Amino acid sequence: EIVLTQSPDFQSVTPKENVTITCRASQSIGANLHWYQQKPDQSPKLLIKYASQSISGVPSRFSGSGSGTDFTLTINSLEAEDAAAYYCHQSGTLPQTFGQGTKVEIK
Amino acid sequence: EVQLLESGGGLVQPGGSLRLSCAASGFSFSSYAMTWVRQAPGKGLEWVSGITGFGSGHYADSVKGRFTISRDNSKNTVYLQLNSLTAEDTAIYYCARPYSNSYFDHWGQGTLVTVSS
Repeated sequence: EIVLTQSPDFQSVTPKENVTITCRASQSIGANLHWYQQKPDQSPKLLIKYASQSISGVPSRFSGSGSGTDFTLTINSLEAEDAAAYYCHQSGTLPQTFGQGTKVEIK
Repeated sequence: EVQLLESGGGLVQPGGSLRLSCAASGFSFSSYAMTWVRQAPGKGLEWVSGITGFGSGHYADSVKGRFTISRDNSKNTVYLQLNSLTAEDTAIYYCARPYSNSYFDHWGQGTLVTVSS
């Protein structure tokens, strides 16, 4: 099983700051890494597919990068509505797995 | 518009069984694999099971031998049969659609399963 380790687990951020969340895979997964946002009491929402590809309707302040084992989600100029948990997910190998999540709080 | 609507959750005693359903609409159901993802209270997401359009199922080790995924393409519905339930199975169970067997582009609202005596 491929283990995805996110860091940090929690981040408290002031609006307009930039946020960086990393996801490290226990073995190479190419670009089969996707990012989701989950707000309280809501279902997860796809943010980034295949490590760096944008999703229609997602604000351009969200971007992704990386390949192989190291990946990054960046939120540029954080807004209050970005308070949520963020998860990475690998689809390249069964069983598919998620990172443990990163909770972003707005100061 | 793609819609996924889960049902079948509820309170069940340890050792009991439950069948979850996910009714899909707005897309060519038989052409897509489908997936179940769960989230224990206050915890992260866990991939549970997936099924191809042809009906081949895959499972997380934590549920293998206890859960069974199936689908009825004539009813546009995917099912998850939960047997031998324990408290560790308490979670919201989400149905999700994998696009091209990769990222999950659509999610249902979830159905809560509580295992307790």
